[in-house]
Amino acid sequence: RKEVEQDPGPFNVPEGATVAFNCTYSNSASQSFFWYRQDCRKEPKLLMSVYSSGNEDGRFTAQLNRASQYISLLIRDSKLSDSATYLCVVTPYSGGGADGLTFGKGTHLIIQP
Amino acid sequence: NAGVTQTPKFQVLKTGQSMTLQCAQDMNHNSMYWYRQDPGMGLRLIYYSASEGTTDKGEVPNGYNVSRLNKREFSLRLESAAPSQTSVYFCASRHHLDTEAFFGQGTRLTVV
Repeated sequence: RKEVEQDPGPFNVPEGATVAFNCTYSNSASQSFFWYRQDCRKEPKLLMSVYSSGNEDGRFTAQLNRASQYISLLIRDSKLSDSATYLCVVTPYSGGGADGLTFGKGTHLIIQP
Repeated sequence: NAGVTQTPKFQVLKTGQSMTLQCAQDMNHNSMYWYRQDPGMGLRLIYYSASEGTTDKGEVPNGYNVSRLNKREFSLRLESAAPSQTSVYFCASRHHLDTEAFFGQGTRLTVV
């Protein structure tokens, strides 16, 4: 099983709709979780951290399910500008290979007018 | 705030040429990373440096060398470029193991 798995998509969603996607991780020692956004040919940028209690930032909600080892991202009232690739990142508190920073391959989201 | 700065942004090399990609961060971060990103492959770690004076191999280190010159700077060197090294290269840094990483704008490298 890969360390971090995401559905690559693409997810084609009409503007204004709600879309959600998950990311599963294999290392139960993972402690910190993040969602990044990457626009075409640009660098990944932090979208939001994912806390145990879940967190919300405007139209975006992130949740963590430790028992099932996945994190989710929900986007409400989607905008054309939300079209991007969303990367899931997990990191154990200590140890782990490569200094513990593990990226998923990303989920491609296309918002259609 | 400059954050993470990479140079150059674009580069074309001939097979066998060498070059160094530069990366500097002004956030006093401990860890720095070099990734390459190819279509359909996601981000793949080349090398990383957990602290000043240390470097370690990542997933795809062959054909590359790195130097953590000081806490701010982490360079990536291609000694003899090959077409397989055509890619987009990202430098990243973070403060602690449980904090988010910040990325540079990337270097688009083509080896012909």
